[in-house]
Amino acid sequence: SAVISQKPSRDICQRGTSLTIQCQVDSQVTMMFWYRQQPGQSLTLIATANQGSEATYESGFVIDKFPISRPNLTFSTLTVSNMSPEDSSIYLCSVGPPLEQGSDGANVLTFGAGSRLTVL
Amino acid sequence: GQNIDQPTEMTATEGAIVQINCTYQTSGFNGLFWYQQHAGEAPTFLSYNVLDGLEEKGRFSSFLSRSKGYSYLLLKELQMKDSASYLCAAVDSNYQLIWGAGTKLIIKP
Repeated sequence: SAVISQKPSRDICQRGTSLTIQCQVDSQVTMMFWYRQQPGQSLTLIATANQGSEATYESGFVIDKFPISRPNLTFSTLTVSNMSPEDSSIYLCSVGPPLEQGSDGANVLTFGAGSRLTVL
Repeated sequence: GQNIDQPTEMTATEGAIVQINCTYQTSGFNGLFWYQQHAGEAPTFLSYNVLDGLEEKGRFSSFLSRSKGYSYLLLKELQMKDSASYLCAAVDSNYQLIWGAGTKLIIKP
């Protein structure tokens, strides 16, 4: 499976500011996703990061609030814009199987370690 | 709507066996995942079932009944390091993952 480097691992931010989270993968992957996880809750998909085109956002998430870049098959960024305390959460990058591995039918996801954001 | 139900928390004793249940309601079905997540860490893949029956992987086994919309994760010979949250996720007809809230498993000596 792919190895993911996600940073920052944690940050404390002021209300109204923006923060960009980076996700670097050690191999080329087709599928790349951004999730949010509130304490004690399930993973919520924010968007699918599409290489070379605009991300596909889930209901309740918009590009102006969560702009995403995916310049190539190994890297993506998620920006949390104009932050408020309600944005305090863990943000996780996840990817599908590496291209050289091929589809294993299950499309097992590998997750980054997450970025824990606290907005004051 | 689509829904995944699993217990919020379970407690078990070191060396014992525990079964974590998961029921799902999805639009179509293309398999079910179990992930393990230690506190403050990323979820890691445990198992994937798409056919009915039991799949065993060492101390961990996963069972699926498609007709009942039901799965369980069975952990044997529990160790303290098994203390974690266990996430159930079903794959719907659009190959979207529907995640449960996770079951926090507490292992006591």
